[in-house]
Amino acid sequence: LAKTTQPISMDSYEGQEVNITCSHNNIATNDYITWYQQFPSQGPRFIIQGYKTKVTNEVASLFIPADRKSSTLSLPRVSLSDTAVYYCLVGGPNDYKLSFGAGTTVTVRA
Amino acid sequence: GAGVSQSPSNKVTEKGKDVELRCDPISGHTALYWYRQSLGQGLEFLIYFQGNSAPDKSGLPSDRFSAERTGGSVSTLTIQRTQQEDSAVYLCASSFRMVTNEQFFGPGTRLTVL
Repeated sequence: LAKTTQPISMDSYEGQEVNITCSHNNIATNDYITWYQQFPSQGPRFIIQGYKTKVTNEVASLFIPADRKSSTLSLPRVSLSDTAVYYCLVGGPNDYKLSFGAGTTVTVRA
Repeated sequence: GAGVSQSPSNKVTEKGKDVELRCDPISGHTALYWYRQSLGQGLEFLIYFQGNSAPDKSGLPSDRFSAERTGGSVSTLTIQRTQQEDSAVYLCASSFRMVTNEQFFGPGTRLTVL
């Protein structure tokens, strides 16, 4: 799996938009970009996946520039319950050995 | 619908004892995975099942670790002669397709070896 780099932590306040950028300079042509969320004492939860441009679902948006060397996860109007660790993964459709780094700890304050 | 379940949620054992960790995947998911997460660390892949067979056991740390899956459903991870370094959260995940990076995780079993 391609190596990724993301900030260790981010602080925000309720109602704000949180944007987490992940760098993946060595992304391969057939690699997808996937984001997971993990709350304390729980397993990771799949949030969103994309290949290029923009993907949006009910939880988040994922922005991927044309060169695909980075991606940004956008969490709109966060609440206290969005406090979690967010992981960026890059890998092909056959990469089942998910490799989670340290992730980004997002803390939302009232 | 029901998600991936794991039992027990917590297990405290003494060094040298054997432990069994259980995983019930989402119904209909043919692929099942085991990972380990040590305190403050990322996930470490252990083993992958497709149906009842394990085509990839490359992540098992030593021969003290073994896993099986029966009926294409429940899986058991067994650790023999536990050591303190085995203390971690053991996570199970399942997926509908054989190979995918969209996996559904259980809550994990926290193993503490005294």
